[in-house]
Amino acid sequence: GENVEQHPSTLSVQEGDSAVIKCTYSDSASNYFPWYKQELGKGPQLIIDIRSNVGEKKDQRIAVTLNKTAKHFSLHITETQPEDSAVYFCAAYVQNFVFGPGTRLSVLP
Amino acid sequence: ETGVTQTPRHLVMGMTNKKSLKCEQHLGHNAMYWYKQSAKKPLELMFVYNFKEQTENNSVPSRFSPECPNSSHLFLHLHTLQPEDSALYLCASSQDDRNTGELFFGEGSRLTVL
Repeated sequence: GENVEQHPSTLSVQEGDSAVIKCTYSDSASNYFPWYKQELGKGPQLIIDIRSNVGEKKDQRIAVTLNKTAKHFSLHITETQPEDSAVYFCAAYVQNFVFGPGTRLSVLP
Repeated sequence: ETGVTQTPRHLVMGMTNKKSLKCEQHLGHNAMYWYKQSAKKPLELMFVYNFKEQTENNSVPSRFSPECPNSSHLFLHLHTLQPEDSALYLCASSQDDRNTGELFFGEGSRLTVL
C-alpha cells in the first residue's frame, strides 16, 4: 500500500523567513496531494492541494510543488507569521488518503 | 466551524465501560470517516462509510464498532477498550469516498482509557 514520509518532524523559523516541508510517497498511482494544518485543539484543515497533472500551485504565501518522477511534493510558506505555527500534514490519495506523520512548525517572533 | 461536529470533546473511561462517540456533518456530504490520531504517529484511517454503507474497515479491533444511521451521522461505539486506545478520534466527511476532494474534519474527541 501507499506510504508517505514527511520531513522534518519539527521546524523552527524566525518570523518573516520561509519554511519548507517535504513529503515522499511510494505509490505512483497516487493522484491527489493535499496539505492540512492542525492548530492546537482543532482538527486538521485543508490549506492547499495539488493534483498529479499539475507541477506547482500557489495561494498567496503558500505554494506546493509536485515532482511525479521522484514521487515527492513540498509545501512552501513564505513570509511566515506567528499564526502559521501549527502541525502540518501532507497526504497522498490513491484509494484512500494516507497521511504523513506531521511537521510541527514554530514561527518565532 | 468546519461543518463537522463531534461530541463529546473529551471522554475518560475505564476498561470495562461502554461509551459512544458521535459525529454530525451539515455539509450535505455522502462519505464519513473515523480516524485515530496518536502522538507522533500518522493519522490512521479506521472506517469509511459512503451513502451509509461501510466501504472500508482498516483492520480495526472489534472493540470499536461504527454505526452510520444516515449520511449525516456517524457513531463510534466503544467497549472493553485498552489504555493504548487512548488517542484523539477524528471524524471527517467528504462529498463521496471516490472523490479526491477535500476532507472536512471535526475537532476530535479526546479519549483517555484508564
